[in-house]
Amino acid sequence: QVQLRESGPGIVEPSETLALTCSVSGDSITEYFWSWIRQAPGKGLEWLGYVFYDGSVNYNPSLKARAYMFVDIHKNEVSLSLRSVTAADTALYFCARGRRADISGPFEHWGQGHTVVVSS
Amino acid sequence: VLTQTSSLSVAPGQTATISCGGDKIENAKVHWYRMKAGQAPVLVVYDDSARPSGSPSRFSGSHFGDTATLTISRVEAEDEAAYYCQLWDSKTDRYAFGSGTQVTVL
Repeated sequence: QVQLRESGPGIVEPSETLALTCSVSGDSITEYFWSWIRQAPGKGLEWLGYVFYDGSVNYNPSLKARAYMFVDIHKNEVSLSLRSVTAADTALYFCARGRRADISGPFEHWGQGHTVVVSS
Repeated sequence: VLTQTSSLSVAPGQTATISCGGDKIENAKVHWYRMKAGQAPVLVVYDDSARPSGSPSRFSGSHFGDTATLTISRVEAEDEAAYYCQLWDSKTDRYAFGSGTQVTVL
């Protein structure tokens, strides 16, 4: 059974860079789309972007080019970097795996989530 | 934008019907998630009407035109949660989530 686990700092200062890692166990990261999704306090789910196992990416334009996602096949990890953070980036962040080689498929597996607070 | 009713209340044993509307839905496959506070979303219906293994048979989905619907039959207390629809928008090349529906079991 595949398992995803997000990790990273819990607090990030404004204007700094948020960096999260999603460690994947139980399956290889190849042939899948890996997305980052967040939920701000009191808000709904927001898709941030995806990275395919080959390194190709697609970001939500709402992030205004602040996001960077990449994979490390050898470590079986997926990473998110979000620069110039503000209080609006305070959220519960999830990594999620899509369906094998099918971009229109659902997010079948999710990490447990990682809370990030932007504060000085 | 995928529009959902913000909240609904239902008594145990009754049926909850959650809608998801928007012009992006017409040519897309819609997926549904249940999300309890502070927990990861769980897929309950995918590809409009299919249920993943482990999803109770009480959950069913349908899709007609620009509206998708999640139906929860014989509602139980554990069904109290927020429900989100989601799809891949092939015109804009991005994923979209609905605004979410909070279901309260009376």
